[in-house]
Amino acid sequence: AQRVTQPEKLLSVFKGAPVELKCNYSYSGSPELFWYVQYSRQRLQLLLRHISRESIKGFTADLNKGETSFHLKKPFAQEEDSAMYYCALSGGQGAQKLVFGQGTRLTINP
Amino acid sequence: GAGVSQSPSNKVTEKGKDVELRCDPISGHTALYWYRQSLGQGLEFLIYFQGNSAPDKSGLPSDRFSAERTGGSVSTLTIQRTQQEDSAVYLCASSLFFRGTGELFFGEGSRLTVL
Repeated sequence: AQRVTQPEKLLSVFKGAPVELKCNYSYSGSPELFWYVQYSRQRLQLLLRHISRESIKGFTADLNKGETSFHLKKPFAQEEDSAMYYCALSGGQGAQKLVFGQGTRLTINP
Repeated sequence: GAGVSQSPSNKVTEKGKDVELRCDPISGHTALYWYRQSLGQGLEFLIYFQGNSAPDKSGLPSDRFSAERTGGSVSTLTIQRTQQEDSAVYLCASSLFFRGTGELFFGEGSRLTVL
């Protein structure tokens, strides 16, 4: 079974401070991992995926298969980063069902 | 072109009534998903359609919930005999499937309130 755990429902940091949103997963096969973000009054949208190895809006995430984690990081938080962040997992290799975690609400304080 | 469109955007109903929620995916997208978003529960998977394959219904919480996708395009989520715990935002998403899960494009959601 696919499972995604985001242990922090709320996370608050000051502008300019580093941010790390935690994500752990459970899946027996080779997963695809994603981060989705929902800004206030906007639709849920893709932020980044592990296979792209990109940095989007200063955020990065590394898939650690040993620790079954896919934590989202940004070295210097900005106020516009305040949003709801969801980690998501797909089984990959044709298993397309995308399962989301419970989400973390990130607040960046000025 | 337009993104994923959902209707109604808001629905208030009485306990015990049936409701239908509609989703128009992006043209050409073969995969369609329904999720439920409620406070404290995050984003809960309900059902997934991919092309002509049998849908993955593993997330439907009870037999009061059903969904269909006609002609590989528009989808309708039906909740029969609604209960107060069904109150939530129901999100639809579509994607292109190519060698794995593509980027999901979400609609704005249908907010359901059961009195």
